[in-house]
Amino acid sequence: DTGVSQNPRHKITKRGQNVTFRCDPISEHNRLYWYRQTLGQGPEFLTYFQNEAQLEKSRLLSDRFSAERPKGSFSTLEIQRTEQGDSAMYLCASSPGPSYEQYFGPGTRLTVT
Amino acid sequence: DQQVKQNSPSLSVQEGRISILNCDYTNSMFDYFLWYKKYPAEGPTFLISISSIKDKNEDGRFTVFLNKSAKHLSLHIVPSQPGDSAVYFCAASGYNTDKLIFGTGTRLQVFP
Repeated sequence: DTGVSQNPRHKITKRGQNVTFRCDPISEHNRLYWYRQTLGQGPEFLTYFQNEAQLEKSRLLSDRFSAERPKGSFSTLEIQRTEQGDSAMYLCASSPGPSYEQYFGPGTRLTVT
Repeated sequence: DQQVKQNSPSLSVQEGRISILNCDYTNSMFDYFLWYKKYPAEGPTFLISISSIKDKNEDGRFTVFLNKSAKHLSLHIVPSQPGDSAVYFCAASGYNTDKLIFGTGTRLQVFP
């Protein structure tokens, strides 16, 4: 399978706990994106990387959120001190470069209780 | 401020007929537009895209039309098939950023 993979697929956590999600992009893609989707909305941009460099972050990405892409391969998204409002589907996408279509993974559904 | 708008939350079409999904945008700096299809519990799947230098792009049963003066694009699916039933998202990106701005989606149902 050469698509984008995300782990875990589902995560249930209690408010105040930290969670970390992983994304493995398509191997030859140097751009990696994170989006968040809530019910009834389209995906909302969070941040993106070109190789290991984080090029842009949304205002949605509060100080509790941090993303990394060490060595320009897989990426992790960590949420510290989770809140109920963080409950959403977290989507990862990759592309071979700018102005190319982005290919999405299956997402990680986070539920904060 | 919703920069990409899909004003029809749902659309129902008979199998074999044409499905037309619409999308409007407000930011004239957008230069690349995409359509994605999404099934429940899956990530969005890329369907078709169009650059602002074109006004039409076709791929099999899918055609996207771009009207820059009206800031409007549409996706035509013909003939529609039951497997096309899904939520369709329109997305756009601009000159100085690679992030995608999505609309809120249109749920398409194709019935026999």
